[in-house]
Amino acid sequence: GAGVSQSPRYKVAKRGQDVALRCDPISGHVSLFWYQQALGQGPEFLTYFQNEAQLDKSGLPSDRFFAERPEGSVSTLKIQRTQQEDSAVYLCASSPPYADRGGEKLFFGSGTQLSVL
Amino acid sequence: EDQVTQSPEALRLQEGESSSLNCSYTVSGLRGLFWYRQDPGKGPEFLFTLYSAGEEKEKERLKATLTKKESFLHITAPKPEDSATYLCAVSRGSNYKLTFGKGTLLTVNP
Repeated sequence: GAGVSQSPRYKVAKRGQDVALRCDPISGHVSLFWYQQALGQGPEFLTYFQNEAQLDKSGLPSDRFFAERPEGSVSTLKIQRTQQEDSAVYLCASSPPYADRGGEKLFFGSGTQLSVL
Repeated sequence: EDQVTQSPEALRLQEGESSSLNCSYTVSGLRGLFWYRQDPGKGPEFLFTLYSAGEEKEKERLKATLTKKESFLHITAPKPEDSATYLCAVSRGSNYKLTFGKGTLLTVNP
């Protein structure tokens, strides 16, 4: 497909369970972002990759959150020992190289809705 | 800390009834201000980027404007298909992060 693909679309986890969320960015997009969106809120930055390098992980809420992009394309966001407060939509976005000032135009996937019971 | 405040939280219009959404921001060294549209169950979809005060951009029934403190998204003669949540976001300096507001939920009734 031409867009950013995220899977699974929905995930229900029991508290304490580990989860892994997958993101397939648009082919050729160098930059990849993860955002967290709570109900009724705007997206909040979690982490940023440029190719395989994780350049910023300052938005990750705790050390239970871990993201990787080992080959510079597909990315996985892993949450260990999930808590109820982790319930949210996790959005992945990609963008092409900074060719011009429009580089911040992000292409978002539809997200993974995580519910922790 | 960067702050983005959107108002109103929700807006209900009749088809054809023009209005404006507001985005007030506080950011040191604005690089760009962005408007996105988000439909239920979908990720945000890019609409506009504005870089400097006085700049305006248009797309169909939407027009975005920017001052040093706020941005407006003007909707002219809206249609029901314009119903969505409209998100405003800012970036600063060489920072690639976007700071989003909470959004305005727009409902256009036929």
